[in-house]
Amino acid sequence: GQQVQQSPASLVLQEGENAELQCNFSTSLNSMQWFYQRPGGSLVSLFYNPSGTKHSGRLTSTTVIKERRSSLHISSSQTTDSGTYLCALDLDTNAYKVIFGKGTHLHVLP
Amino acid sequence: AQTIHQWPVAEIKAVGSPLSLGCTIKGKSSPNLYWYWQATGGTLQQLFYSITVGQVESVVQLNLSASRPKDDQFILSTEKLLLSHSGFYLCAWSLANTEVFFGKGTRLTVV
Repeated sequence: GQQVQQSPASLVLQEGENAELQCNFSTSLNSMQWFYQRPGGSLVSLFYNPSGTKHSGRLTSTTVIKERRSSLHISSSQTTDSGTYLCALDLDTNAYKVIFGKGTHLHVLP
Repeated sequence: AQTIHQWPVAEIKAVGSPLSLGCTIKGKSSPNLYWYWQATGGTLQQLFYSITVGQVESVVQLNLSASRPKDDQFILSTEKLLLSHSGFYLCAWSLANTEVFFGKGTRLTVV
């Protein structure tokens, strides 16, 4: 089965609403990162968060290792938040593999 | 400060032609290096990783090869491009079990 699952696959919000993006993983991990992928493809690093909760402006990331999940919360969404959000995991396999989820495509309407 | 530079930014190449994409990391010694590929609308997939000069491991077979001729340089290449090689290529580095840092990527179109 898939080692990393992101949900929802897509999300449409009205500006000002909050968004909760999830990343679930099947094994223990060494590291967890959240990225925003620009339309051109380049990645913007949002959080490096292997465990616990981190905040950055309107964004909050929470990783709960024993529940094998990480979330990205966007509060008071803005149209500029629209795009693709990816989680990336370095699974604890000693195999130097960092695996990406399929992403959540967020569209914030004005 | 560490920097990662990828080249070229974009390429349009003919099927059957050779390809060489490059990546240089400055300001960090002996990093782990990675190549990723993303087809249009697809998931980012790890292609190769290298933990030391001269050693490269393949993760996904795509008729591509990679080399690490110097500690700070990672090269992705093939002698014959396929249409299926089109997509977005990302180079990245990390230290063991820590945050991964990505370059800005190369957009490859094979025609």
